[in-house]
Amino acid sequence: EVQLVESGGGLVQPGGSLRLSCAASGFTFTSYWMSWVRQAPGKGLEWVANIKKDGREKNYVDSVKGRFTISRDNAKNSLYLQMDSLRVEDTAVYYCAPEELSWGQGTLVTVSS
Amino acid sequence: EIVLTQSPGTLSLSPGERATLSCRASQSISRNSLAWFQQKPGQTPRLLIYGASSRATGIPDRFSGSGSGTDFTLTISRLEPEDFAVYYCQQYGRAPDTFGQGTKLEIK
Repeated sequence: EVQLVESGGGLVQPGGSLRLSCAASGFTFTSYWMSWVRQAPGKGLEWVANIKKDGREKNYVDSVKGRFTISRDNAKNSLYLQMDSLRVEDTAVYYCAPEELSWGQGTLVTVSS
Repeated sequence: EIVLTQSPGTLSLSPGERATLSCRASQSISRNSLAWFQQKPGQTPRLLIYGASSRATGIPDRFSGSGSGTDFTLTISRLEPEDFAVYYCQQYGRAPDTFGQGTKLEIK
């Protein structure tokens, strides 16, 4: 059974940083592209970033380029999202999302003064 | 960026009826890399369909996906009470991945 457990969310002031983590199990982690997807309160889904199976290719939505960094540790079956220079509009539930598999429960990031 | 447009925005149907949801892409989606998700209030989006037509693990066979190129459809053959939710399509064939704006399926 696919299991994804996100952690690292919380309340942070504008301009601050957070690092999200996702622990994966129940599937062959190294066989999947991995993404972060977010959902602001009451809004739809927004893809944030993804990373290739071997970590050598990364893509970002324009609104987070230069501020967020996606990475993975295949030895630990883990995905990460380093979020710097956070803005109020980054407030959302962040989901760990393997391509073509089910998602984790998400972790809430709130950016507010 | 590939823009996905879902229609209708809201679909009002009764249990037992057939639901047809559309997802149209602004450019052809390579390798039919199109997924459908269901989301109920307060819950994580649930993967229903990937690769345009493959059902995810545990998804009932009343859910089916079809289409290719720029036009895709999610069909629910006979609506059950638990099917009323918001549905999103997602393309992952070309970066940046994108989502449609969602279709709300409500009880008539």
